Amino acid sequence: DAGVTQSPTHLIKTRGQHVTLRCSPISGHKSVSWYQQVLGQGPQFIFQYYEKEERGRGNFPDRFSARQFPNYSSELNVNALLLGDSALYLCASSLGGNTEAFFGQGTRLTVV
Amino acid sequence: SQQGEEDPQALSIQEGENATMNCSYKTSINNLQWYRQNSGRGLVHLILIRSNEREKHSGRLRVTLDTSKKSSSLLITASRAADTASYFCAADYNFNKFYFGSGTKLNVKP
Repeated sequence: DAGVTQSPTHLIKTRGQHVTLRCSPISGHKSVSWYQQVLGQGPQFIFQYYEKEERGRGNFPDRFSARQFPNYSSELNVNALLLGDSALYLCASSLGGNTEAFFGQGTRLTVV
Repeated sequence: SQQGEEDPQALSIQEGENATMNCSYKTSINNLQWYRQNSGRGLVHLILIRSNEREKHSGRLRVTLDTSKKSSSLLITASRAADTASYFCAADYNFNKFYFGSGTKLNVKP
C-alpha cells in the first residue's frame, strides 16, 4: 500500500508569488492535516480536513488556504509568499478520531 | 508557538546503550504519538498511546504516559547507529490535531 504522498518534493518561489502543494492520503483515510515545520522546530498545525470539511485551522494568516477533494486528496495554497514561509510542509492522513496519523515526506519550500 | 517540550534537546550515546526521551504537554489529550525524523524529511510513525493507557511496547520501544503530570517518555533499548534521528512527541488534543514539541536529537555512535 502506498503511504501518504506529497508533491512536489522541493520548490523554489520568489517573494509575492503563489504556491500550491498537494497531498494524497493513504487509501481509506478521510482525514488530512497540514503542518509547517521551520528549521530547528517541531511541526505546527495549519489545517485539518475531514470528509471534505474544514475541521480546524491553526494560527496562520489568511494567505494560507486549503481544500479537500471528493477523493480525499488535498491542496494547500499560500498566497503572497514571504521569506518566512520557507519551511518543510507536511501532510498527514488518518482514519480520524483516536487513531494513528501518518505523514508524507514533505514539500521543502524555499522563498527567495 | 510550541505547546509541547522534549527533554533533552540532544542526546549522544554509544551503540547498545538505552536512550530515554521525555515529553511534556500543556492540554488534555486523546492520545500521544511518537515520531522519528531523519535529516529534515518526513515523520515516521513509531507508536501511539491513548489517554487511558499507561505503558505500551513495540519492539525495542517502550512508551509511558502520565496524564496527571501531562508527560510521556520514550525508551529505545539496545540502540543502533540507524536510530540516529530527531524524535518528536505529538499530543493529539482534538481529533488528530497535534501539538508538537521541538524534538530530541539522538546521536548513536557506532
